[in-house]
Amino acid sequence: GQNIDQPTEMTATEGAIVQINCTYQTSGFNGLFWYQQHAGEAPTFLSYNVLDGLEEKGRFSSFLSRSKGYSYLLLKELQMKDSASYLCAVRDIYYKLSFGAGTTVTVRA
Amino acid sequence: SQTIHQWPATLVQPVGSPLSLECTVEGTSNPNLYWYRQAAGRGLQLLFYSVGIGQISSEVPQNLSASRPQDRQFILSSKKLLLSDSGFYLCAWSQWGPPTNEKLFFGSGTQLSVL
Repeated sequence: GQNIDQPTEMTATEGAIVQINCTYQTSGFNGLFWYQQHAGEAPTFLSYNVLDGLEEKGRFSSFLSRSKGYSYLLLKELQMKDSASYLCAVRDIYYKLSFGAGTTVTVRA
Repeated sequence: SQTIHQWPATLVQPVGSPLSLECTVEGTSNPNLYWYRQAAGRGLQLLFYSVGIGQISSEVPQNLSASRPQDRQFILSSKKLLLSDSGFYLCAWSQWGPPTNEKLFFGSGTQLSVL
């Protein structure tokens, strides 16, 4: 199975940058996903990493180091609408996706 | 394009009553289907997943069951609800290969309160 750890909460100012770290332990790694979830809503896909390195998508970037069991999601130029929970999820070799508990990001004006 | 429908959006049920949540996917064939539960302040817990009609894998022992009577229909059931069954239930689908490459797409969720 997987063991996925990420911080519970983070707070940042509008326009700033925030980095959400995720560490994982898995018996068979087959990809790492980041999802965004606003309160009371379903998660929506943000990014996917299967090889080491940085994937950039506009204001959001995600990094993966498989040897370290580590990923981060970088949110730049924070906007109020970015206030949400960010979920790190690891896929195993059987294509099952396991989620971390999520990091609640609060953006302040 | 593909869409996923999940209903109802909210449900309040007494302890000991039955449960049936339904999920359907449109615009694709032979999707992988999933039921997740999210307790307040906690991560998503995989309950069941299915790779084809009649093929159900259970991830955790519980008083819930799942069925897939049709290719794009996934049903979560219980004969007798417990207080601990309260939570946010999410149906999701994925598919092998491009263009979605096994990304999970979620339904809008059902907030279940067992009283």
